[in-house]
Amino acid sequence: DGGITQSPKYLFRKEGQNVTLSCEQNLNHDAMYWYRQDPGQGLRLIYYSQIVNDFQKGDIAEGYSVSREKKESFPLTVTSAQKNPTAFYLCASSTRVYSNQPQHFGDGTRLSIL
Amino acid sequence: GIQVEQSPPDLILQEGANSTLRCNFSDSVNNLQWFHQNPWGQLINLFYIPSGTKQNGRLSATTVATERYSLLYISSSQTTDSGVYFCAYRDTDKLIFGTGTRLQVFP
Repeated sequence: DGGITQSPKYLFRKEGQNVTLSCEQNLNHDAMYWYRQDPGQGLRLIYYSQIVNDFQKGDIAEGYSVSREKKESFPLTVTSAQKNPTAFYLCASSTRVYSNQPQHFGDGTRLSIL
Repeated sequence: GIQVEQSPPDLILQEGANSTLRCNFSDSVNNLQWFHQNPWGQLINLFYIPSGTKQNGRLSATTVATERYSLLYISSSQTTDSGVYFCAYRDTDKLIFGTGTRLQVFP
């Protein structure tokens, strides 16, 4: 079945360490997104990508980086510059960014500080 | 930006009860979606409903775009309906989420 796979489900980061969250989709979608969710809150956009080798900052991009080398993959790196990384991270995809089609979400990665 | 207000913030039901969740917007919005986030964090698409009414089993949704609100109806609620329900609209290149309604259904 087509879908979005995020890994790992749980991730722990030490102080000063960069960590990378994986997101893979087999829906043949052009657009991919990363959101952050804090406890009791809605989702906020970190980065999005309309097409391979292109990505744009969202509302809270500071301390994060992304790459889009393949259509299927959109990994998110949480750098040591992100001082409060503990959150639930969700990856999504849609056919295109500026479209009337809905976004579909992966199951998320929970990141915590050690 | 457009403000999104969801009500009620919390809802406790006994199994079998019906409920209505509401999403109000401060201005006209595009491409409204309803999501259910289960207790494990999975975010499930319920409806893509920019206008009109849709039904899927025990759930239905109505959006009245001209009056800037959307409603999600849950009938004969089950414990598996527990979680947080979000509405979201598309703002150019991103989805803007409401703060959600937390639903707890007890047997």
